[in-house]
Amino acid sequence: GQNIDQPTEMTATEGAIVQINCTYQTSGFNGLFWYQQHAGEAPTFLSYNVLDGLEEKGRFSSFLSRSKGYSYLLLKELQMKDSASYLCAATDSNYQLIWGAGTKLIIKP
Amino acid sequence: EAGVVQSPRYKIIEKKQPVAFWCNPISGHNTLYWYRQNLGQGPELLIRYENEEAVDDSQLPKDRFSAERLKGVDSTLKIQPAELGDSAVYLCASSLGRDVETQYFGPGTRLLVL
Repeated sequence: GQNIDQPTEMTATEGAIVQINCTYQTSGFNGLFWYQQHAGEAPTFLSYNVLDGLEEKGRFSSFLSRSKGYSYLLLKELQMKDSASYLCAATDSNYQLIWGAGTKLIIKP
Repeated sequence: EAGVVQSPRYKIIEKKQPVAFWCNPISGHNTLYWYRQNLGQGPELLIRYENEEAVDDSQLPKDRFSAERLKGVDSTLKIQPAELGDSAVYLCASSLGRDVETQYFGPGTRLLVL
């Protein structure tokens, strides 16, 4: 079957760094997305990885290892506004997105 | 550029009543998706359109759910009759094409069935 695993909830301190992990099992693989979703709002695109390695975009970076079926989202210099759910989604061979349940990130002052 | 537009934003109905949701995708986006999201869960795909053709509706409960995308632009998702378990957020998303393209989401319709 197809499956995405990510932690349910994480807590971090303002100004710190946090890494949100995601493992996936899909029928074929065509890339991995990270989305941010604030409570009561729609998901918004953060990053897309198709090749192995680290993609950096400002305070956010995303890493992919295709051989390990593993990705992580790294958030630096955490701000209170980063409190949200972070959704990992893998694209299978039919280009369908398989979504994880999301990781709720709580930022404390 | 205008984003994905959805209406209504909130809807409260009694069970067995019908309900409809409307979506206007980003201009030029050929692919349109309807998702359902329950609290604490990721989005669950209900149906995907390529222009006016429904190319993936395997997860759509066809006994009560229906959708259409006339002229390949706006889309409507309908539930008739609604059940208590249909309470969720219904998200519409669009992308340029079918292949690996970023999906852009609308604000969603929050449905409560009493």
